[in-house]
Amino acid sequence: QITLKESGATLVKPTQTLTLTCTFSGFSLTSSGEGVGWIRQPPGKALEWLALIYWDADKRYSPSLRNRLSITKDTSKNQVVLTMTNMDPVDTATYYCAHRRWSTSPFDYWGQGTLVTVSS
Amino acid sequence: DIQLTQSPSFLSASVGDRVTITCRASLDINRYLAWYQQKPGKAPNLLIYDVSTLQSGVPSRFSGSGSGTEFILTISSLQPEDFATYYCHQLNSYPPLTFGGGTKVEI
Repeated sequence: QITLKESGATLVKPTQTLTLTCTFSGFSLTSSGEGVGWIRQPPGKALEWLALIYWDADKRYSPSLRNRLSITKDTSKNQVVLTMTNMDPVDTATYYCAHRRWSTSPFDYWGQGTLVTVSS
Repeated sequence: DIQLTQSPSFLSASVGDRVTITCRASLDINRYLAWYQQKPGKAPNLLIYDVSTLQSGVPSRFSGSGSGTEFILTISSLQPEDFATYYCHQLNSYPPLTFGGGTKVEI
């Protein structure tokens, strides 16, 4: 059974850096093909993909946010960490981490999401 | 970037109705198209991938079809638990992975 859960700051000030952790179980990011991605959803709006990391440390980022994002993995802790710099109120959203296997597979398991509010 | 355009954005329907939602891609995405269902306050739930493959546990009233740039999600007989927002998602070409704008199915 694959599970994922997001944790981190729920309120950040403009210009601050957001750090979110995805803690997962039921798979290993050392196994071939495994990947974890981050997706966000502003209130009442559509889903937006942010970043992906694979078992081989291959990383992919949304081109529009690439200069603000960093994704890393800690295989010993079964965690993936997303950092986003220079936060702005428009970054207020629910942030989800999700599992996928291989580069053309969908996100088949999702965390419950964490609402991040950017406000002074 | 590959853009996904869903139509309609909102759909009013009744229990028992046959419902279709269209997703159009700005470029050919082969068969790398998935559909998700999302209920308020919940994470998206994978319904269909590779255009027409039903995810394990998803009721057979859901089906997907299409190819190239035009895809359809069909709910053959709408049930009360199907009132939700549906998103299409392309996996053919990235970055970026992209999602459609969503279709809200309501009474």
